[in-house]
Amino acid sequence: QQQVKQSPQSLIVQKGGISIINCAYENTAFDYFPWYQQFPGKGPALLIAIRPDVSEKKEGRFTISFNKSAKQFSLHIMDSQPGDSATYFCAASMIRGAGSYQLTFGKGTKLSVIP
Amino acid sequence: DGGITQSPKYLFRKEGQNVTLSCEQNLNHDAMYWYRQDPGQGLRLIYYSQIVNDFQKGDIAEGYSVSREKKESFPLTVTSAQKNPTAFYLCASSPGRGLNEKLFFGSGTQLSVL
Repeated sequence: QQQVKQSPQSLIVQKGGISIINCAYENTAFDYFPWYQQFPGKGPALLIAIRPDVSEKKEGRFTISFNKSAKQFSLHIMDSQPGDSATYFCAASMIRGAGSYQLTFGKGTKLSVIP
Repeated sequence: DGGITQSPKYLFRKEGQNVTLSCEQNLNHDAMYWYRQDPGQGLRLIYYSQIVNDFQKGDIAEGYSVSREKKESFPLTVTSAQKNPTAFYLCASSPGRGLNEKLFFGSGTQLSVL
């Protein structure tokens, strides 16, 4: 059972536009929500993350919006650039056995920013 | 340079064969992980280890085995019991000192079946 649902699967945005990727979760035990960026042939890298006690976090052109009551969070990329073209994964973290925290990933969104 | 090194970058498996994927880190991290990535499926956790000589099954451990004899190494064996092994395999590590840690990923190994 997928615990983090991500949409859309793919996204094409014009250079300078806003890219928006959405994620939803069911399990209220999740308490940390990172976004990872992956370029082809490479491993993912942490982009930005948020905890549920804040509704928004901004780092440069990247913003996470978090709606705890709706159990949804989204990534906004302002002034999107061709170099932002990558696959983006949302994730959620919760405690597992032996006190470890493990990530559950969404299925990913392939973003293409066209000139 | 500090980081995670996965090898080989490409690997081919014959039917009935076991293959081992290498993962080495020089970040002095306690925790290490193996994820499997299939197109359009996200990342799924295979195994993880929080400390040397200890490891735990993730969500899709069947057909895989691991060992953690050294802090810096966490090899993954894909056994013949794994009937659909074709995927991109990612190794990751984290400091292991607390919750909500950043994962550092290697560049992956693409495994294909001949």
